[in-house]
Amino acid sequence: AQKVTQAQTEISVVEKEDVTLDCVYETRDTTYYLFWYKQPPSGELVFLIRRNSFDEQNEISGRYSWNFQKSTSSFNFTITASQVVDSAVYFCALSEANSGGGADGLTFGKGTHLIIQP
Amino acid sequence: ETGVTQTPRHLVMGMTNKKSLKCEQHLGHNAMYWYKQSAKKPLELMFVYSLEERVENNSVPSRFSPECPNSSHLFLHLHTLQPEDSALYLCASSESGGRKTQYFGPGTRLLVL
Repeated sequence: AQKVTQAQTEISVVEKEDVTLDCVYETRDTTYYLFWYKQPPSGELVFLIRRNSFDEQNEISGRYSWNFQKSTSSFNFTITASQVVDSAVYFCALSEANSGGGADGLTFGKGTHLIIQP
Repeated sequence: ETGVTQTPRHLVMGMTNKKSLKCEQHLGHNAMYWYKQSAKKPLELMFVYSLEERVENNSVPSRFSPECPNSSHLFLHLHTLQPEDSALYLCASSESGGRKTQYFGPGTRLLVL
């Protein structure tokens, strides 16, 4: 069975610090996708990134970067020069091979509550 | 309207009531999902619809009944709920075909008294 672990329940840093959110996953599939979502206090999950299991290149998007390491089954997320607006709960999620029904649900970690203090 | 919308945003109901949650997507997708988010638990997948057919039901109690009349609309009919069903119910949509990016609505926060 697939599983996603986000061991950091809550992280608090001061604005402008860099912060890394950890994500470790378990799957028996060789083909899978990993995702990160942001959930601000309003409740809506905002999509940040989707990465397939065959692409281990790190990705950078502005102040956000992601480090995918298949050898350690990790997909960590770093925010550089954090800002107060980055405060939210961040979820890592895993999608395995198509169940045959044409759509697959996501398995989520428990989330990391990130607090950026001014 | 853009993206995925959900109504109502907040709902309080008694255990004997019947209510429905509505989700509408404006993204041209043909797969839709219901998730439940309880305090201190991971988001739990409840139902998956692809091309208006239910393709997954994650052992959800029968007091939750989904309906997908077309690819743009998804309902969750609720009856005789329990207090432990109080949660944030999130709807999402995606292209069909598996492992696609899911886009979420703002959720309905449900309180069962």
